[in-house]
Amino acid sequence: SQKIEQNSEALNIQEGKTATLTCNYTNYSPAYLQWYRQDPGRGPVFLLLIRENEKEKRKERLKVTFDTTLKQSLFHITASQPADSATYLCALDMGKTALIFGKGTTLSVSS
Amino acid sequence: DGGITQSPKYLFRKEGQNVTLSCEQNLNHDAMYWYRQDPGQGLRLIYYSQIVNDFQKGDIAEGYSVSREKKESFPLTVTSAQKNPTAFYLCASSIGRGYNEKLFFGSGTQLSVL
Repeated sequence: SQKIEQNSEALNIQEGKTATLTCNYTNYSPAYLQWYRQDPGRGPVFLLLIRENEKEKRKERLKVTFDTTLKQSLFHITASQPADSATYLCALDMGKTALIFGKGTTLSVSS
Repeated sequence: DGGITQSPKYLFRKEGQNVTLSCEQNLNHDAMYWYRQDPGQGLRLIYYSQIVNDFQKGDIAEGYSVSREKKESFPLTVTSAQKNPTAFYLCASSIGRGYNEKLFFGSGTQLSVL
């Protein structure tokens, strides 16, 4: 079965630095990979989507890469701010059923 | 405002009791989903529906039931057969269920056992 792993449960960085979160998957490459942000006690909010034939996608301070050879996606937040502190979820989009979510990485940005 | 509404925010269940979690959307989306979130476990799919009067089991459907009588509504019943129901339940919707469909989530229901 398809598995998805987000390497770090928690990531602590200082304000202004770049946060890099990792998402690895096994078996088949998804057609798409999606990233969501979740704040405590709230539902996830969609951030970015990247197709398998796209190397990189950007949105403001966010950047996502997708390497189908390594079966990995990296999610970067540049010039991080304390307001970026949240849990970030990676999800595989196989197009057949529902999204397959990773366990998430909790990012803490200290000032 | 368009969105997806879950109620109640907090729910308590007694032993042997069935409880129903409400999920309503006014986004005119065809697909709706129920996920369960436990600490450190990520989101696990319970049921999903791609169209009215049709739904499919997800990875952890045992002890749960759903209905989809209206496009806007996808209630989840946690039955007494679900022995460990304490979790954060999330409802979501999308335009359809194909590639490239992002999910819109509700704000969740925290279910606890008394």
